[in-house]
Amino acid sequence: AQSVSQHNHHVILSEAASLELGCNYSYGGTVNLFWYVQYPGQHLQLLLKYFSGDPLVKGIKGFEAEFIKSKFSFNLRKPSVQWSDTAEYFCAVSHYNTDKLIFGTGTRLQVFP
Amino acid sequence: GAVVSQHPSWVICKSGTSVKIECRSLDFQATTMFWYRQFPKQSLMLMATSNEGSKATYEQGVEKDKFLINHASLTLSTLTVTSAHPEDSSFYICRPTASSPLHFGNGTRLTVT
Repeated sequence: AQSVSQHNHHVILSEAASLELGCNYSYGGTVNLFWYVQYPGQHLQLLLKYFSGDPLVKGIKGFEAEFIKSKFSFNLRKPSVQWSDTAEYFCAVSHYNTDKLIFGTGTRLQVFP
Repeated sequence: GAVVSQHPSWVICKSGTSVKIECRSLDFQATTMFWYRQFPKQSLMLMATSNEGSKATYEQGVEKDKFLINHASLTLSTLTVTSAHPEDSSFYICRPTASSPLHFGNGTRLTVT
């Protein structure tokens, strides 16, 4: 069965620090990959997605993610975080021909001014 | 504007009562509906998948008799939590799909007292 692992459960950074959140999945077939953000008290928002093509994907708010097929990874990065990036971040995976999203456990990011 | 309408956004009910949550796709026809549950500080867990006009498929560990799903039309699906108990208190989120990962409902916060 598909599963998604986010090993960083809680990350604390100062503003302007660089961010990398890990995401690994277990599935041998072709997958679609997503990162969502959930700000406190709000619903999920899509940051970026990968379906095919360039493995380096750029999303909104300065985020990007790189798909490394050999490592089954889709890590999220941002070169310089802001206090407003404080939120919960979820990685999600679906098989390429379904819409069934499986979510990772989430990473809580706290950014201090 | 919103393309998914989930109602109610929050509900408080007494133990033993039933609660119905509606999810409507506003701008497209959703042949499939995914229902998720999110406990505080946890990830989204897929509960069930429903297809219009057919029975829902429940994930392992989810009681189909407790969480009744109806997907009678291409724009409306309902989740009914029957005989609710305090442990059912959670955030319930729908995701209608027409091959889009973007559109989640805003969620329903259920509190069972």
